[in-house]
Amino acid sequence: DQQVKQNSPSLSVQEGRISILNCDYTNSMFDYFLWYKKYPAEGPTFLISISSIKDKNEDGRFTVFLNKSAKHLSLHIVPSQPGDSAVYFCAASAVETSGSRLTFGEGTQLTVNP
Amino acid sequence: GAGVSQSPSNKVTEKGKDVELRCDPISGHTALYWYRQSLGQGLEFLIYFQGNSAPDKSGLPSDRFSAERTGGSVSTLTIQRTQQEDSAVYLCASSHQGGIADARDTQYFGPGTRLTVL
Repeated sequence: DQQVKQNSPSLSVQEGRISILNCDYTNSMFDYFLWYKKYPAEGPTFLISISSIKDKNEDGRFTVFLNKSAKHLSLHIVPSQPGDSAVYFCAASAVETSGSRLTFGEGTQLTVNP
Repeated sequence: GAGVSQSPSNKVTEKGKDVELRCDPISGHTALYWYRQSLGQGLEFLIYFQGNSAPDKSGLPSDRFSAERTGGSVSTLTIQRTQQEDSAVYLCASSHQGGIADARDTQYFGPGTRLTVL
């Protein structure tokens, strides 16, 4: 079963506008959420995270919002830049699982047009 | 400093052959993870090593898959009698500790090995 789901395989926005990437999860034991960015032929790189005790975390142009009741999180990028074009993965972990093994969504390809 | 490295970057093999994929984690990282990404899918957890503890193998899809981590550093993922459904990008990640007490250590990923089974 797909415990972390990104329903939009792709998103296209204009430079300078806001990009909103969405992620839904089903496992109520998840208590830590992350976004990773991946360029072609490279491994994913960590972008931003949020603990379940918060509903918002901000880092520069990137903000992650968590709605626990809806089991939904989103990543906002504003303003979007062409260099942000990449695949974005949502991931989640639960403190009970050994280590911090991550459960990933399928990814969303973001394209920022100049 | 050096990141996580993986070799080979690409591997093409014939169905039924065995393959070995290598991961060199970041120096000093005690936790090491293997994931794979099949076409159009997210990353799927395979196995986790933490220090000298027994590895968590719960994500390995079949007994054809095995992994070792020698000396707490380099890891090798072995796939025996490869099948076409094994074709994927195999990603290795390491983190500083990875234990439950520090379950939020960031995982740093290598570039992956693209495995193609003909």
